[in-house]
Amino acid sequence: EDKVVQSPLSLVVHEGDTVTLNCSYEVTNFRSLLWYKQEKKAPTFLFMLTSSGIEKKSGRLSSILDKKELFSILNITATQTGDSAIYLCAVVSGNTGKLIFGQGTTLQVKP
Amino acid sequence: NAGVTQTPKFQVLKTGQSMTLQCAQDMNHNSMYWYRQDPGMGLRLIYYSASEGTTDKGEVPNGYNVSRLNKREFSLRLESAAPSQTSVYFCAIRQAPFHEQYFGPGTRLTVT
Repeated sequence: EDKVVQSPLSLVVHEGDTVTLNCSYEVTNFRSLLWYKQEKKAPTFLFMLTSSGIEKKSGRLSSILDKKELFSILNITATQTGDSAIYLCAVVSGNTGKLIFGQGTTLQVKP
Repeated sequence: NAGVTQTPKFQVLKTGQSMTLQCAQDMNHNSMYWYRQDPGMGLRLIYYSASEGTTDKGEVPNGYNVSRLNKREFSLRLESAAPSQTSVYFCAIRQAPFHEQYFGPGTRLTVT
């Protein structure tokens, strides 16, 4: 059975801290891994990773995929209160584009 | 929300009632998806439509039916609502061959 597991499930940090969110997967016919941010409404797309070892970066957020060890990490540096959200990891399996989601990591950034 | 609209935004149903959740897109994307989100469980796929005229079951299809009315619209029907269907429902779209999906604003459904 395909499975995506995120850790930690929740995290509380202070502004300025750096956080690392983890996503591991066991999926047949892996195609890509996606990260989303969800702030009390619809998930918004952050990154898509398909190749091992290539970092994707957007401002203070970055992500990398390890296809040998079957995991990805999402780093957020110099956190701000606006980074408070649920971060979702999802894996695309097969050709239909179906996403298999992890449980999500709830990040709270305190002032 | 990337040109995806969902109606209604909120709904309260009694057990046994039926209703249809509507999703429409103006992005001309081929594929459309229905997910439900429950606390601590991420999003789970209910049904999807790879293209107009086709639909397939996802991970949790029991108790639901779908219709891909045309390329723009994909509806989700609950024939006889149950409290276990209390959830937030999201519609998403994708343009093959790209993998990223874009989500609508969601419908919060409560079944009492």
